[in-house]
Amino acid sequence: DIQMTQSPSFVSASVGDRVTITCRASQGVYSWLAWYQQKPGKAPKLLIYTTSNLQSGVPSRFSGSGSGTSFTLTISSLQPEDLATYYCQQASSFPYTFGQGTKLEIK
Amino acid sequence: EVQLLESGGDLVQPGGSLRLSCTASGFTFSSYAMSWVRQAPGKGLQWVSAISGSGDTTYHADSVKGRFTISRDNSKNSLYLEMNSLRAEDNGLYYCARDPWSSGSLNWFDPWGQGTLVTVSS
Repeated sequence: DIQMTQSPSFVSASVGDRVTITCRASQGVYSWLAWYQQKPGKAPKLLIYTTSNLQSGVPSRFSGSGSGTSFTLTISSLQPEDLATYYCQQASSFPYTFGQGTKLEIK
Repeated sequence: EVQLLESGGDLVQPGGSLRLSCTASGFTFSSYAMSWVRQAPGKGLQWVSAISGSGDTTYHADSVKGRFTISRDNSKNSLYLEMNSLRAEDNGLYYCARDPWSSGSLNWFDPWGQGTLVTVSS
């Protein structure tokens, strides 16, 4: 199975800050990488697919980059509504696997 | 509006069985691959099973292979997860999720239902 490791596991930032979350795969997943946002008590929501494609309706302050084994999710200017846990997911091969999550706190 | 509504979660003893259902509306159900993803209390996301739009192709995580079976009834716009030989580690909120596109892809999960809770305990 492909292991996905996110860093950091917890991040605290202020409104307006630029926030970057990293996801590393135990083997190459090409560009088959997505990011999800899960707000407290809610179901996850797809933010970015195939590394850098923004899902419809997602604010443009979210962006993704990377390839192979190293990927990043960037929030260019943090907003209060971005309080959530963020997960990466690989779709290169079954079983599909998620990172352990990064909890984002607003200072 | 696309909606996914899960049901069937319950308290069950170790070794017991459950059948989860997910009823879909707002889209052509048979055109989309579907998946089950679970989340243990306070933990992260774990993909469980997936099925193609026609139901011909299925995939299961190793941890549930031989115990869980995913299926669908396109005439009823419904997705199922038959769960047997349940263990404590199967505890959690079970979400059904759709692939975002009707192209036959089975890669991503969007949207998601609100989940149904499975508790395995004696």
